Amino acid sequence: AQSVTQLDSQVPVFEEAPVELRCNYSSSVSVYLFWYVQYPNQGLQLLLKYLSGSTLVKGINGFEAEFNKSQTSFHLRKPSVHISDTAEYFCAVSERSSGSARQLTFGSGTQLTVLP
Amino acid sequence: KAGVTQTPRYLIKTRGQQVTLSCSPISGHRSVSWYQQTPGQGLQFLFEYFSETQRNKGNFPGRFSGRQFSNSRSEMNVSTLELGDSALYLCASSTGQGLEQYFGPGTRLTVT
Repeated sequence: AQSVTQLDSQVPVFEEAPVELRCNYSSSVSVYLFWYVQYPNQGLQLLLKYLSGSTLVKGINGFEAEFNKSQTSFHLRKPSVHISDTAEYFCAVSERSSGSARQLTFGSGTQLTVLP
Repeated sequence: KAGVTQTPRYLIKTRGQQVTLSCSPISGHRSVSWYQQTPGQGLQFLFEYFSETQRNKGNFPGRFSGRQFSNSRSEMNVSTLELGDSALYLCASSTGQGLEQYFGPGTRLTVT
């Protein structure tokens, strides 16, 4: 079984400032890692994913994340945020052994609020 | 390509009733997964269907069931509704072998 911990439930940040949203996971097997974003009254949109290879992955809207196997972390970063980045962000994992991301285990989410 | 569609978007039911939610995946996608999102429990996996067969199941009571049709459309049914079933129910589709899931906008169910 896996678990995902998002260390901050709310992150306020001023526009054009950098931001880091933290995610740690626990799993007895190898996992794939994902970050999703949810805007109000909408479903989830995939921001980026780590499957294998380079530990630094780039996603949409200028976001990037770094996989750290030794610390079992997958923190999300953006160098300069915009008002439009205000949303809830979810970190998720799925087992590699399944061969596909059939069952996602999500963290509790981080509400990012970008202030003018 | 059209995205994942879910109907209805909003639903109000009374405790003890049953409800059916519908999900139409992206064209060509054969896998449909369902998730429940609540403020208290967050996002939890319900089940996944692939080619009309339930391939994976989360830890939910038997009141929650689903099915998938030959055109990959899926329905989720909740019987004997409880107040705690009030949630946003999200459907996600994928190719079945792919590693990305594409989510619909969800159905917000309110049980009174």
